[in-house]
Formats: sequence, structure tokens, C-alpha cells
Amino acid sequence: SAVISQKPSRDICQRGTSLTIQCQVDSQVTMMFWYRQQPGQSLTLIATANQGSEATYESGFVIDKFPISRPNLTFSTLTVSNMSPEDSSIYLCSVILGANVLTFGAGSRLTVL
Amino acid sequence: QKEVEQNSGPLSVPEGAIASLNCTYSDRVSQSFFWYRQYSGKSPELIMSIYSNGDKEDGRFTAQLNKASQYVSLLIRDSQPSDSATYLCAVEGGYSTLTFGKGTMLLVSP
Repeated sequence: SAVISQKPSRDICQRGTSLTIQCQVDSQVTMMFWYRQQPGQSLTLIATANQGSEATYESGFVIDKFPISRPNLTFSTLTVSNMSPEDSSIYLCSVILGANVLTFGAGSRLTVL
Repeated sequence: QKEVEQNSGPLSVPEGAIASLNCTYSDRVSQSFFWYRQYSGKSPELIMSIYSNGDKEDGRFTAQLNKASQYVSLLIRDSQPSDSATYLCAVEGGYSTLTFGKGTMLLVSP
């Protein structure tokens, strides 16, 4: 089965800085999805990233805060900009593999001080 | 706004018992439903999908769907301590995106 690699796996950042999370898939996929899981909460979709077009953001998420790149069919990045403690969360990259199976990377645990 | 509701738990069952996890959803047009298991500190992994009314069995797991009642459930037979995890119900919301419930924590005691 395909492998989804995310990095960094965790990071501690200072308020006001930005962090870019990378997601690499070992097979070509049309769509890549970025989810956020805040402490004690479920997963919330941030945006859908398609190669060759702008990402589609869900209600409550904007490109200025969470810019996304999708340069090819196996790679995407999510940047969390101008971070505040409220951005402390696990950020998960996911893709659809096989028969309509949404599969997640291991996640990037971000702590903002 | 599409909503998926689950009891947060924890649901505690003894080893060998049947664990029953429930989920309701608000979007009547949803057609695809999923159960994910998430161990502490890990990412979610798919354990069951169901698309038609009725039951779907896979080993010790049975998913049940009732679209008229907008209700999905997951039964785990012969529960094992290794089943202790948070179980997330997810409903497809269009364009291959999923809306997740907050999850039910299951604790299986030896």
C-alpha cells in the first residue's frame, strides 16, 4: 500500500512565526487533503489541494493563514502563518487510496508557545 | 452545516463483551459512511465503510446503517484490550471530503 510521509513529526514554535509542513506520497494522487485535530477534538478539514490549481478552503480557513502548495501529484505543503497558541494542533495530510479509502499520514504535532 | 454526533464516552466494556458505538448525522443526502479507529498519539485508520442500509460484517466488526433514521453504528464482538481506542464516525460530504464526529473513547478492561 502507498506510504504517506509527513514532516516535521512535531515542532515547538514561537508565537508570530510560521511553519511549513510537508507531505509526500509514494504514488500519484489527484487530491490531497489537509485536516486539523485540535486537542480533544475531532478532525476538521482545512482545505483540499489539487495539482495545478488553487486549494479549496473550508469555511473558517483562509489562504493567508494556511497557504498550501501542490507542485506535483505526489507532494504538498501546508504553512501555518503568524502562529498563535490557538494553532497548537495536529495537522494531518491525507489522500484517497484504493477503493475510496481516505488514508492519513502520521501527522505533525505543533505546539505554539 | 453538516454535523456528525457521537457520544464522547468513555465506553467501558469487559474483555469478551460486545461494544456498541453509535453515530447520527444531519445531512440526509450522505451516501458513504466510515468508521475510523485512532489510538492515542496516532493518526486515524479506517476499519469499516458502509454505503447501503443494513449490516456489513468484517471479522469481529459489524457496521449498521439506517439512512431513514440517519444513524450509523459499529459493533465490536469479543472485545479485546487492544481495541481500546477512540472510534471516529465519518460521513462523506461531497468532493471526496469527510466530516468527522468527535469520536467515542472505548476502554476494554482485561
